Amino acid sequence: AQTVTQSQPEMSVQEAETVTLSCTYDTSESNYYLFWYKQPPSRQMILVIRQEAYKQQNATENRFSVNFQKAAKSFSLKISDSQLGDTAMYFCAFGSSNTGKLIFGQGTTLQVKP
Amino acid sequence: KAGVTQTPRYLIKTRGQQVTLSCSPISGHRSVSWYQQTPGQGLQFLFEYFSETQRNKGNFPGRFSGRQFSNSRSEMNVSTLELGDSALYLCASSSIVGLAGQETQYFGPGTRLLVL
Repeated sequence: AQTVTQSQPEMSVQEAETVTLSCTYDTSESNYYLFWYKQPPSRQMILVIRQEAYKQQNATENRFSVNFQKAAKSFSLKISDSQLGDTAMYFCAFGSSNTGKLIFGQGTTLQVKP
Repeated sequence: KAGVTQTPRYLIKTRGQQVTLSCSPISGHRSVSWYQQTPGQGLQFLFEYFSETQRNKGNFPGRFSGRQFSNSRSEMNVSTLELGDSALYLCASSSIVGLAGQETQYFGPGTRLLVL
């Protein structure tokens, strides 16, 4: 069975600085997908970034980028130039191919301070 | 395109009652997945429907059921409610192209259920 672990329950960062959120996962599959979702206080889950396991290149979306280490089963999220609006809970999620099931980590609460 | 919508947004029920939650996916999306979010257990997968068929099911008791209609709208039902069913129920939709890969899931705002 797949598992996803986020070892940092809470983190804080000063506005404009860079922060990295950690995520590790366990799977025996070779073809899978990884995601970071953001859940602000409104509780709306918002996709931040997506990574296909078969792609070696790390995904980037504006200020958000990932460090995908397939052999180490690690998938960290880097947020550059942090903004107050980045304050939220961040979830790492694993998705197998051909299934609509996502397995989520426990989440990391990120506080961006002015 | 309009996003995923869920109704109702808030619900208060008493133990023993049953409840039905509704989810309308993004237009063109054929897969709908349901998740339960609680402070203690986090986000847990309930089930997924594609083309009116349940494709995957999580580890929840039979009191939790769902269905999908021909227009891809989905409902989930919880019978004989227990206090522990109090949670945020999230619905997500995705487009499946050729049943290959893992399309991104887009989430609705959720239904917050409180069982008294």
